[in-house]
Amino acid sequence: DAMVIQNPRYQVTQFGKPVTLSCSQTLNHNVMYWYQQKSSQAPKLLFHYYDKDFNNEADTPDNFQSRRPNTSFCFLDIRSPGLGDAAMYLCATTGTSGVRGYNEQFFGPGTRLTVL
Amino acid sequence: AQSVTQPDIHITVSEGASLELRCNYSYGATPYLFWYVQSPGQGLQLLLKYFSGDTLVQGIKGFEAEFKRSQSSFNLRKPSVHWSDAAEYFCAVVSPNRDDKIIFGKGTRLHILP
Repeated sequence: DAMVIQNPRYQVTQFGKPVTLSCSQTLNHNVMYWYQQKSSQAPKLLFHYYDKDFNNEADTPDNFQSRRPNTSFCFLDIRSPGLGDAAMYLCATTGTSGVRGYNEQFFGPGTRLTVL
Repeated sequence: AQSVTQPDIHITVSEGASLELRCNYSYGATPYLFWYVQSPGQGLQLLLKYFSGDTLVQGIKGFEAEFKRSQSSFNLRKPSVHWSDAAEYFCAVVSPNRDDKIIFGKGTRLHILP
């Protein structure tokens, strides 16, 4: 029944040790998003894929990368996590049909990243 | 620039009392408006949305919201809150272009007194 799945739900890594977060979806949506949400803040868009087209937000640090090997999966790679990267990471997806062109985003449960 | 303002960072209400969470937006075109709820440690769940038509929209969990164009507002209401409603609530606007980027407010944390 799950539509947007994120694994793991909790991830602990060490300062500077690369980490990969995973998102998969069963909705066959062509757009996938990664958000970073720090404590008591709104989610902040890092980047998104429109099909295979990668769209990076202007203020997303180079330390954050993403891969989308197929429609269903999208990965967030943090090359050298710093203490400031500890946050909840949310994946969302959307399709290309909707009212007046709007496509509702469906969010996964998130992965909480701890950096030691 | 597009923006969403939630003026209340924290709100505390007693269980069974009514609730109104405020949201104002600044947007050039006719907006698509949303309210999301986030329980601690969880992802975002869509409560309700407004695209057009009836300005009073009903959502899940007994919530409703009213779009007021003249006030650029989309306030969330519930007539009687339950302890399980304690969560963070985000108002959001969607930019209706190819990317459908969501612009979130900073959120209102709702506390429920027993």
